[in-house]
Amino acid sequence: EVQLVQSGAEVKKPGESLRISCKASGYTFTNFWINWVRQMPGKGLEWMGRIDPTDSYTNYSPSFQGHVTISVDKSISTAFLQWSSLKASDTAIYHCARRWYINASPTDAFDIWGQGTLVSVSS
Amino acid sequence: DIQMTQSPSSLSASVGDRVTITCRASQSVSSYLNWYQQKPGKVPKLLIFAASTLQSGVPSRFSGSGSGTDFTLTISSLQPEDFAIYYCQQTYSSSTFGQGTKVEIK
Repeated sequence: EVQLVQSGAEVKKPGESLRISCKASGYTFTNFWINWVRQMPGKGLEWMGRIDPTDSYTNYSPSFQGHVTISVDKSISTAFLQWSSLKASDTAIYHCARRWYINASPTDAFDIWGQGTLVSVSS
Repeated sequence: DIQMTQSPSSLSASVGDRVTITCRASQSVSSYLNWYQQKPGKVPKLLIFAASTLQSGVPSRFSGSGSGTDFTLTISSLQPEDFAIYYCQQTYSSSTFGQGTKVEIK
């Protein structure tokens, strides 16, 4: 079964660092980019950025550039989302999602999603 | 950044109603437009990709149309399980989601 399994919920204090994970299984990890999507409490979906597991090329939304870091470890088919200094406003559910893309066609969508990781930041 | 604007933000409808949700892009996204459904406490589910192609397993009462800047998601006969939030997404230039449309029971 193709799936993305994310790490568990986190409770952190402002200023702390954090790395959450997204482990892929059931497909060839390097064949599909991984995206990260934020969903603040009661709000909509916000695309944060993506990574090509083949070469770790990343592409960030301007809204998140410099605030988070996306990385992968191909050896364990896992993508990561990392903060060096959390803020209360980082409280949200973070989803990873696989990019399904067919070259030279408008097929470019997020077909498989992780279950989401709830990050709570409070003093 | 390409901005995506959905309308309405919410709507009330009855089972059996025809429902239409509109998504407008701030510049042309060709047909790089997808629709997702999200139910409370669940992850988003891909319904339609490339503006009008139904994802495998999605009921045929869902349809999508449009190209360029204006797109539509239509549910031909609303079913109880369709009450959810619907998001459009452009993937022409990186990615952006619309703000969502909540479909509620009338």
